[in-house]
Amino acid sequence: DSGVTQTPKHLITATGQRVTLRCSPRSGDLSVYWYQQSLDQGLQFLIQYYNGEERAKGNILERFSAQQFPDLHSELNLSSLELGDSALYFCASSPLTANTEAFFGQGTRLTVV
Amino acid sequence: SQQGEEDPQALSIQEGENATMNCSYKTSINNLQWYRQNSGRGLVHLILIRSNEREKHSGRLRVTLDTSKKSSSLLITASRAADTASYFCATDAFDMRFGAGTRLTVKP
Repeated sequence: DSGVTQTPKHLITATGQRVTLRCSPRSGDLSVYWYQQSLDQGLQFLIQYYNGEERAKGNILERFSAQQFPDLHSELNLSSLELGDSALYFCASSPLTANTEAFFGQGTRLTVV
Repeated sequence: SQQGEEDPQALSIQEGENATMNCSYKTSINNLQWYRQNSGRGLVHLILIRSNEREKHSGRLRVTLDTSKKSSSLLITASRAADTASYFCATDAFDMRFGAGTRLTVKP
């Protein structure tokens, strides 16, 4: 158990809908990262937050947004969903902004039908 | 930021053999990390090597770093079927990007 909790574990929704994925980082970790992994693909970095502030942005679509709350949990919002958004979405946390080990959650499997 | 690129893309070996996979990167780094991912699961941190280190060991894992060649290698000795997974490297960065990974299959 990494200490990072992602909910829900599975999500099935229709095209055009909006969903929210939630991540609770390890206790004390200030950094949260979000990744998307399509079938048999590598991890695409989406966005990073550190202590509530956006720190780095990757290949995140405009239809996607995220935030980190004062209690350090984070949410990834995906809207106007398309079939191609079906993927595993991972959250990771680390104590600092960089140069430290990251701990990954077990992911949310999103299926868009 | 930059990401590491793993090589080979896939590797298949027999149990008991050694497995070597490589990571290349393009700019200077402070550290490099290796992670393992079992199918459909979250990544698990294996080892972090700093730029002033040339080699690091952890159990059956040996990581080397050659900053002059901007490359790192991960050696798994005496492989087991349970080592079957994808392996990723990540260079230090605010955004910790990963390459496509090396898919290792260890046959019993």
